[in-house]
Amino acid sequence: DVKVTQSSRYLVKRTGEKVFLECVQDMDHENMFWYRQDPGLGLRLIYFSYDVKMKEKGDIPEGYSVSREKKERFSLILESASTNQTSMYLCASSEEGTYYGYTFGSGTRLTVV
Amino acid sequence: QKEVEQDPGPLSVPEGAIVSLNCTYSNSAFQYFMWYRQYSRKGPELLMYTYSSGNKEDGRFTAQVDKSSKYISLFIRDSQPSDSATYLCAMSDFNKFYFGSGTKLNVKP
Repeated sequence: DVKVTQSSRYLVKRTGEKVFLECVQDMDHENMFWYRQDPGLGLRLIYFSYDVKMKEKGDIPEGYSVSREKKERFSLILESASTNQTSMYLCASSEEGTYYGYTFGSGTRLTVV
Repeated sequence: QKEVEQDPGPLSVPEGAIVSLNCTYSNSAFQYFMWYRQYSRKGPELLMYTYSSGNKEDGRFTAQVDKSSKYISLFIRDSQPSDSATYLCAMSDFNKFYFGSGTKLNVKP
């Protein structure tokens, strides 16, 4: 069964900490994405990548960065965590040229205190 | 104005009912239309997708797209308690995905 695996289900971090969220997919997909999901706001795209070492800003990239050193791994970095970054973070992947569906991970619930 | 509008619910129905979930959109460039199901504390999973207009059926689920009205629907027949989840619509214009905010469905035994 194909999988997108996010390393942590729940995280609690302090304001100002640097936070790393890891995502690994085993489907050899070219495209990888990071979203955050908040009640009433739906899914908002933070960053995406269509290839190794490539990254593009999504709709809400401020306060975040990403790294893609290997095809299967896409990391989201919160440079200095703030309370307004408390959210559910979802990683997704898709094949190159796919316009009809992502495979999502189970999500990381991040709480910044 | 949001690209995709979806009523958040919650929608509560008895087991066996027919459920209708809907989304409206504003961008006529959308070509792919998708429905995701998300159980509590899980990531969304793709249920169905359609390309352009028309209907698509998969078991108890039917997806409809009306591009003239910019309206899509997901029908669930003979709903089960295991269908209780949040349902998100999503659309694509070959460049980007746009998600609805989700409708929470509760099917009561």
